[in-house]
Amino acid sequence: DAKTTQPNSMESNEEEPVHLPCNHSTISGTDYIHWYRQLPSQGPEYVIHGLTSNVNNRMASLAIAEDRKSSTLILHRATLRDAAVYYCILRDVGGNAGNMLTFGGGTRLMVKP
Amino acid sequence: DVKVTQSSRYLVKRTGEKVFLECVQDMDHENMFWYRQDPGLGLRLIYFSYDVKMKEKGDIPEGYSVSREKKERFSLILESASTNQTSMYLCASSFGGPRTDTQYFGPGTRLTVL
Repeated sequence: DAKTTQPNSMESNEEEPVHLPCNHSTISGTDYIHWYRQLPSQGPEYVIHGLTSNVNNRMASLAIAEDRKSSTLILHRATLRDAAVYYCILRDVGGNAGNMLTFGGGTRLMVKP
Repeated sequence: DVKVTQSSRYLVKRTGEKVFLECVQDMDHENMFWYRQDPGLGLRLIYFSYDVKMKEKGDIPEGYSVSREKKERFSLILESASTNQTSMYLCASSFGGPRTDTQYFGPGTRLTVL
């Protein structure tokens, strides 16, 4: 799977929007962009994924650059419960057997009241 | 909601003991996975299973074995626990074959081997 680069940490104020960036300059045409997050002392949790178009769900929005070399996870109103490590992952839809996830370092999001 | 449960949140074992970690999912998912998570190393796949009685090695299978006798249950076995197997163990499940499928994780088991 292609590599992603994320900032180590970010800070946000409660109830403000948060934009979490991810660079993936070596992304291939068959790579989907997935985001997971891991709250303290919990297993990872799926957030959102997309291929080319921007995506919205109840948790977040995903904005994908036109050249697909970067993407941004958007939390519209951060809450204290959103404090977590956020992982950006590329997954090749055409890959061979083995549906494993490869998590990098992720971005630790801190939310201040 | 999909639920993946793991038998213990915290476990302390001694070197040489045989350790069983159990994982159960309630969504009839075909695929189940065992990962370990260590600081600075991210998530590493130990084994996965895409069907009952089927298993495939992941990146770091040495020292581990698995069992999947029923679709909903996937067990990780440490035949003879060692201190370097102290880690957070995460079980996950997913539906279907394509690599874009969502994985659902359990809460994790923090294993300490003394």
